[in-house]
Amino acid sequence: ETGVTQTPRHLVMGMTNKKSLKCEQHLGHNAMYWYKQSAKKPLELMFVYNFKEQTENNSVPSRFSPECPNSSHLFLHLHTLQPEDSALYLCASSQVPSEAGELFFGEGSRLTVL
Amino acid sequence: GQNIDQPTEMTATEGAIVQINCTYQTSGFNGLFWYQQHAGEAPTFLSYNVLDGLEEKGRFSSFLSRSKGYSYLLLKELQMKDSASYLCAVKDSNYQLIWGAGTKLIIKP
Repeated sequence: ETGVTQTPRHLVMGMTNKKSLKCEQHLGHNAMYWYKQSAKKPLELMFVYNFKEQTENNSVPSRFSPECPNSSHLFLHLHTLQPEDSALYLCASSQVPSEAGELFFGEGSRLTVL
Repeated sequence: GQNIDQPTEMTATEGAIVQINCTYQTSGFNGLFWYQQHAGEAPTFLSYNVLDGLEEKGRFSSFLSRSKGYSYLLLKELQMKDSASYLCAVKDSNYQLIWGAGTKLIIKP
């Protein structure tokens, strides 16, 4: 138990579907992150929120839309995805994003796009 | 560009010692992290090095040489539960984390 909870753990969707991934952290952190993890590739940072404000958007396609209603919750809204978007999506949180704080990860949402 | 290199896969024997290397080329340096990730689970923090030298934490140790752009994670008295992927990551001058692709460690009895 890392203090970061992601749902759903597994998701299968068609290219025309709309779905959302949810992340909740119980650690009192002020920064939250979405990462994409593909097999044998480095973690790819997608979005960073610091005190609910988006501070990073690493050229992520608009079919991925993040939402951070408060410091404890983070969503990733998905629509018209492509098969190459199939991956493990990891949420993480940390205390202070600009310092050496370690990241606390959720167990991820395994996404399959058909 | 920025780059982190680590071996894709390593195999070791239960009870033995294994060293996982990580070399990096980044724009600036603000610390190096090692994370452990068991299959289907969240990555979890193992160690952080910002100064040269060895940091020991139980059976695990992490070494850093900033002048060589090099780190290693040393695992002693290997146990079957140490079978996992080990991720190396460096914080650059903008405090962005640059990740390696991970080393899958297989422990055999």
